Parts: sequence; structure tokens; C-alpha cells
Amino acid sequence: GNSVTQMEGPVTLSEEAFLTINCTYTATGYPSLFWYVQYPGEGLQLLLKATKADDKGSNKGFEATYRKETTSFHLEKGSVQVSDSAVYFCALSDSGAGSYQLTFGKGTKLSVIP
Amino acid sequence: EAGVTQFPSHSVIEKGQTVTLRCDPISGHDNLYWYRRVMGKEIKFLLHFVKESKQDESGMPNNRFLAERTGGTYSTLKVQPAELEDSGVYFCASSQEGPSPLHFGNGTRLTVT
Repeated sequence: GNSVTQMEGPVTLSEEAFLTINCTYTATGYPSLFWYVQYPGEGLQLLLKATKADDKGSNKGFEATYRKETTSFHLEKGSVQVSDSAVYFCALSDSGAGSYQLTFGKGTKLSVIP
Repeated sequence: EAGVTQFPSHSVIEKGQTVTLRCDPISGHDNLYWYRRVMGKEIKFLLHFVKESKQDESGMPNNRFLAERTGGTYSTLKVQPAELEDSGVYFCASSQEGPSPLHFGNGTRLTVT
């Protein structure tokens, strides 16, 4: 079956530090890959996505590249801000299953301190 | 447009009681999903509606959980009787026809004591 493994948190960084959250996946087909973010008190929001190998998703300064050879989709940001404090979830969907069902990782809590 | 809304935002009930969670999807979204996050674990898929029909309910944990979507609009998820391990955050999501991005609600935090 499909699975997603992402680095355990929590992660605490100072403002303007570089962020990497590792994510690797196992899937039977050719999945689409996503990063979702949950800010305090809010629901999950799609941060970025990539639908095929070598695609790069980007949004709000965050980037992630779909690496089929290493089955990875690591999230990066060059300079984090306090407002980036949230829980980040890596996810995949195997749309070949006939639905847009998502398989999530456990989530990584990021705290950015001034 | 209004987003996906879920009621209540929090619910605390005793073991053995019944709780009903509600989800109002974005208007016009045929697809509706329920997910659950038990503390410290992954967000897990529960089931998927297309309009009023259950497309996939392979993630429903057991027969204490009943989901409905009468008329293909809002959906309810009933837990009866609730057990301690049902505690967690229940998310609802909706999407347009086809493989479209999911829009999630804020979730309902359920605590069973």
C-alpha cells in the first residue's frame, strides 16, 4: 500500500533560518505529491503540489521537487518567518485508485522564534 | 466563496454516548471526504462521497461509525457508541468533479472520556 514518511518534529528555528522538512514516500503507481499546512486554529491548506517526476511545486517561498529516483518530496524555504509556524503534512494521492484519496505523513510541527 | 465548515469545533463526550459531526462542503462540490487524525498519528482517510453515494468507505474503522450525505449536500458522521480510541480530530474536505484539489474544513476535535 501507499505510505508517507516525514521527519519527526517538533522543529524550532530562528527567524530567517533555512528550513528543510524531509518527506519520502512509497506508492504502487505514479502518485501526485502534496504539502499541506495547518496554521494554529485553522484547517489544512494546500501549500504546494507536484504531479510528475522532476516537477517543482512552489508557493509563499516554499519549494519541493518530486524526485522519483529517491522517492522524495522534501520541503524547503530559504528564510523562515514567525508566521510560518504551523504543522506541515506531506501527502500523496494515487488518482489511479479512482478517487482523490490522500495518504498523509504524521506531520511536522514547526516553530519559528524571533 | 464560503469554505468547508464543520460543526461543532469541539466535542467532549463520555464513553458510550453518541456524537454527530456535521460537514457543509463548498457549494457545488460533488466530492466530500472524511478524514481523522488520532493524536500523534497520520491523518487517515475514512470515506468518500460522490454526491449522495458512498464511493469508498474502506477507511471506516468499524460499524460504530455511520456517515450520511442526504441530498448530496451536507454530510454527517455519527459515532455510536463512542469509545476512548475515537478521540481525535475529524476533518472534512470537498472538491469539484474529477481529480481536483481538496479543500479542508477546520476539523472537529472529539474527546471521549
